Amino acid sequence: GAGVSQSPSNKVTEKGKDVELRCDPISGHTALYWYRQRLGQGLEFLIYFQGNSAPDKSGLPSDRFSAERTGESVSTLTIQRTQQEDSAVYLCASSPLGYGTSGGNEQYFGPGTRLTVT
Amino acid sequence: QKEVEQNSGPLSVPEGAIASLNCTYSDRVSQSFFWYRQYSGKSPELIMSIYSNGDKEDGRFTAQLNKASQYVSLLIRDSQPSDSATYLCAVEDMRFGAGTRLTVKP
Repeated sequence: GAGVSQSPSNKVTEKGKDVELRCDPISGHTALYWYRQRLGQGLEFLIYFQGNSAPDKSGLPSDRFSAERTGESVSTLTIQRTQQEDSAVYLCASSPLGYGTSGGNEQYFGPGTRLTVT
Repeated sequence: QKEVEQNSGPLSVPEGAIASLNCTYSDRVSQSFFWYRQYSGKSPELIMSIYSNGDKEDGRFTAQLNKASQYVSLLIRDSQPSDSATYLCAVEDMRFGAGTRLTVKP
């Protein structure tokens, strides 16, 4: 079946511009996660959705970052007034059931969006 | 204190050897543990999940969990050059270790 998809695959933007990144999870997956991965670094958790609510947005680095999700479907991550330190790969993952459900919280990752802020 | 600790490596093993990757975690009530593999320039992919103490085997991969010691490991038997990647340990959903880079030399 179809996996997690993300668009665009690459985005180059000028400092100060807003960008919107999209994630389409696996159909039927309740939970959706956003991560940031800087070059050569580990995964940095940003936000987690259970359905269309976000019980954990503790990882959002500043108020320039926001995310929303429509039902149990597509999610968008918006970065306003981009800065050079925002340059990274942004990864989206989905899981069948989500946090606290042993046997249903394994994650399936999309291919990522590589964001470059010039 | 980091919640999930992994040796950053790099870990280098010869082809055919056993590669042993280790992970410790701080939250005693954790119930779900995962190993992901990430090839350079690619996104992570799930290799193993483990929820109960003991060993879980899947082909050449064995995950070991010891909740009393707050320790989870991944053994790769008969290592192949294609196993060269960064291996990420995850506890529950969102707590990832920094990853261990494994190189298998032909």
